[in-house]
Amino acid sequence: QKEVEQDPGPLSVPEGAIVSLNCTYSNSAFQYFMWYRQYSRKGPELLMYTYSSGNKEDGRFTAQVDKSSKYISLFIRDSQPSDSATYLCAMSASGNKLVFGAGTILRVKS
Amino acid sequence: EAGVAQSPRYKIIEKRQSVAFWCNPISGHATLYWYQQILGQGPKLLIQFQNNGVVDDSQLPKDRFSAERLKGVDSTLKIQPAKLEDSAVYLCASSIISGRGNEQFFGPGTRLTVL
Repeated sequence: QKEVEQDPGPLSVPEGAIVSLNCTYSNSAFQYFMWYRQYSRKGPELLMYTYSSGNKEDGRFTAQVDKSSKYISLFIRDSQPSDSATYLCAMSASGNKLVFGAGTILRVKS
Repeated sequence: EAGVAQSPRYKIIEKRQSVAFWCNPISGHATLYWYQQILGQGPKLLIQFQNNGVVDDSQLPKDRFSAERLKGVDSTLKIQPAKLEDSAVYLCASSIISGRGNEQFFGPGTRLTVL
């Protein structure tokens, strides 16, 4: 079993839709949770960062962490074609060594 | 602020050949990472440096991979000899403690194809 599981998609939605991306994990030591966005032929860039459980909102993006269920989510409201990318969840026990999910490919159609 | 620089961007080699990748982190970032990203997978940490010293190289295949970071700035990652399964994107990242934890900034990567 992988430490971090993420559905690779692809997920295809119309412009303006609400997108839900999810990851599950098995290591209960994880306490730092991140979402990275990776455009084609580029390196990942940090989108959202959450420490421990709870919600965090930043513009159109909301990250949720449920440590009791070992489940994290990223919601994108009013999705735009420019949101088309691969979304990677990442987790860490120490805040240093990141363990990434496989990434979900998102396509937003105009 | 300049980002993480990597070169070359693309490299094609035959199996059993050697190859080297170069990384220049963001100025002032003490921590540097090398990741391997195989197609369809997330990045996997190969090695982490703190200044000149190695913090974590537990997932580095040391029989064929080596890395160094001289003077605590630039770093090189070498593969010798390369195998077909080494075909991947090699990402370099550097980090700084910010309001978003230990925030890692990634370079564009080097895409390696081993034939």
